[in-house]
Amino acid sequence: AQTVTQSQPEMSVQEAETVTLSCTYDTSESNYYLFWYKQPPSRQMILVIRQEAYKQQNATENRFSVNFQKAAKSFSLKISDSQLGDTAMYFCASADNYGQNFVFGPGTRLSVLP
Amino acid sequence: DVKVTQSSRYLVKRTGEKVFLECVQDMDHENMFWYRQDPGLGLRLIYFSYDVKMKEKGDIPEGYSVSREKKERFSLILESASTNQTSMYLCASSLVDTSYGYTFGSGTRLTVV
Repeated sequence: AQTVTQSQPEMSVQEAETVTLSCTYDTSESNYYLFWYKQPPSRQMILVIRQEAYKQQNATENRFSVNFQKAAKSFSLKISDSQLGDTAMYFCASADNYGQNFVFGPGTRLSVLP
Repeated sequence: DVKVTQSSRYLVKRTGEKVFLECVQDMDHENMFWYRQDPGLGLRLIYFSYDVKMKEKGDIPEGYSVSREKKERFSLILESASTNQTSMYLCASSLVDTSYGYTFGSGTRLTVV
């Protein structure tokens, strides 16, 4: 069974600075998919970034990038130039090779301070 | 703009009532899911469906049932609401291949008094 762990329940960062959210996972699959979702106070869960495990290159979406360390089973999210609108819960998630067994971590609450 | 719509944003029900939470998606997605979200516990899967009239239990199905009579609609039913079912309920949908991720609704915050 897959598991996803986020060890930081809460974090804060000053506006315009960079912050990294941690995520570790455990899977027996040789190929799988990893995701970061953002849930702002409006509650709509939004897909931030997606990584395919067989791709070595770290995924990037504008100010959001990941550090994917396959051997260490680590998938951290870096937010550069943090903005007030980045304030949200962030969930790390994994899915197996067939896109099944979607598993979410417990979430990290990020506050961006002015 | 494609989306998943949950019929109620906030809902207050009495203990013992039968509660229906409705979810509609306009993306022609095959898969639909119901999650429950509680502080510190993350998202827990209640039920999911891969096709019309098909349903599968998730991790915490007790006290819940579901209905999927049409592809675009997935209903969560609390047969007899209890206070421990007070929670945020999230509906999601996806393609058959969920490796592209889920699209979520805005959630329904249910309070059972």
